[in-house]
Amino acid sequence: DIQMTQSPSSLSASVGDRVTITCQASHDIGNYLNWYQQKPGKAPKLLIYDASNLETGVPSRFSGSGSGTDFTFTISSLQPEDIATYYCQQYDNLPAFGGGTKVEIK
Amino acid sequence: QLQLQESGSGLVKPSQTLSLTCAVSGGSISSGGYSWSWIRQPPGEGLEWIGYIHHSGSAYYSPSLKSRVTISVDGSKNQFSLKLNSVTAADTAVYYCASSPPARSKYTFGLWGQGTLVTVSS
Repeated sequence: DIQMTQSPSSLSASVGDRVTITCQASHDIGNYLNWYQQKPGKAPKLLIYDASNLETGVPSRFSGSGSGTDFTFTISSLQPEDIATYYCQQYDNLPAFGGGTKVEIK
Repeated sequence: QLQLQESGSGLVKPSQTLSLTCAVSGGSISSGGYSWSWIRQPPGEGLEWIGYIHHSGSAYYSPSLKSRVTISVDGSKNQFSLKLNSVTAADTAVYYCASSPPARSKYTFGLWGQGTLVTVSS
């Protein structure tokens, strides 16, 4: 099984800050990685697919990069509505999610 | 616009079978290329993929749940279903149905239902 290590598990940042979350795969997964946003009590929402492609309708302040085993998700300027938990998800083989990163406003 | 809605029993007794249905609206479940998945999330925890079914009926399951899971599709009712047998308290979770559009990997979950909480308790 491919293990996904996501960090940090939580972070606190100010509005306007640049926020970065990383996800590391236990094996090379190419670009088979997605990023989701989940707000409390809601279903997850796809933000980034294939490591770096922005889903239709998602604000451009969200971005993703990386390939192989190391991936990065970035919010270029944190907004109050970005408070959520973010998950990476690999699909090189059967899908598996990272442990999540809870983003809060400082 | 495609929409998904889960339904089913919110309370299941230990050792019994959990049964959920996901109704697809705004399009046909038999439309070429779509894949249909179930994903769950225990309270306060992360996401776990359960399995998926192609509109043709071929299904794939998580190895950790494979012995207890069946996912099926009913084109006449435009819905797909999840059955998980021999449940325990560890199966208590919010269960989501999700879909993957034809242009993406079958494991890129672009559309989700709102989720339904299933509690396993006597």
